[in-house]
Amino acid sequence: DAGITQSPRHKVTETGTPVTLRCHQTENHRYMYWYRQDPGHGLRLIHYSYGVKDTDKGEVSDGYSVSRSKTEDFLLTLESATSSQTSVYFCATFPTGGSHYGYTFGSGTRLTVV
Amino acid sequence: QQQVKQSPQSLIVQKGGIPIINCAYENTAFDYFPWYQQFPGKGPALLIAIRPDVSEKKEGRFTISFNKSAKQFSLHIMDSQPGDSATYFCAAGEGGGSNYKLTFGKGTLLTVNP
Repeated sequence: DAGITQSPRHKVTETGTPVTLRCHQTENHRYMYWYRQDPGHGLRLIHYSYGVKDTDKGEVSDGYSVSRSKTEDFLLTLESATSSQTSVYFCATFPTGGSHYGYTFGSGTRLTVV
Repeated sequence: QQQVKQSPQSLIVQKGGIPIINCAYENTAFDYFPWYQQFPGKGPALLIAIRPDVSEKKEGRFTISFNKSAKQFSLHIMDSQPGDSATYFCAAGEGGGSNYKLTFGKGTLLTVNP
């Protein structure tokens, strides 16, 4: 996971509160992604970014927003946390150019909404 | 609609056995097929990948077999070891440039007994 740092690693929050997760990369990769991982569902794409200030929705984007003001930082915000958003969240990056590459993932943030 | 179907959900083999994990897809626009390995508490890590113009790719003890006409691909682990115990995800990539995304299967939990 060298080059990608997710913070915090663990967080417990109350229902209805906003929460922001941070992904920081030192790889200068253009593309960044937020996934959530849940038992029985695998990895599902929440939002992704293809450049500074350029973002788009994934398959499970409801209740989430993102921002990318710098190449190295991609923030995921849960606007009003719900128990269904209890999950492990992974950030991934992808270099510019070509499609025959795999993502590099961070170590994840375990979020519990109580 | 699940775009990448992975089976089995879990698999137990003895040391030295050859576990096989299968994936199937429908979208013919997919043009890149990576496998990821994930240990508990860690992010997924790229293990091996294949392009659709190749029927087999081998890296060490890991082999991907790809059947384009059947839209299926599989991971074989030769001479499996207890250290191979992990969750394995297949994925399929599509889109170029800003639209590049990976779609993941739901994962297979592999246990290799000593």
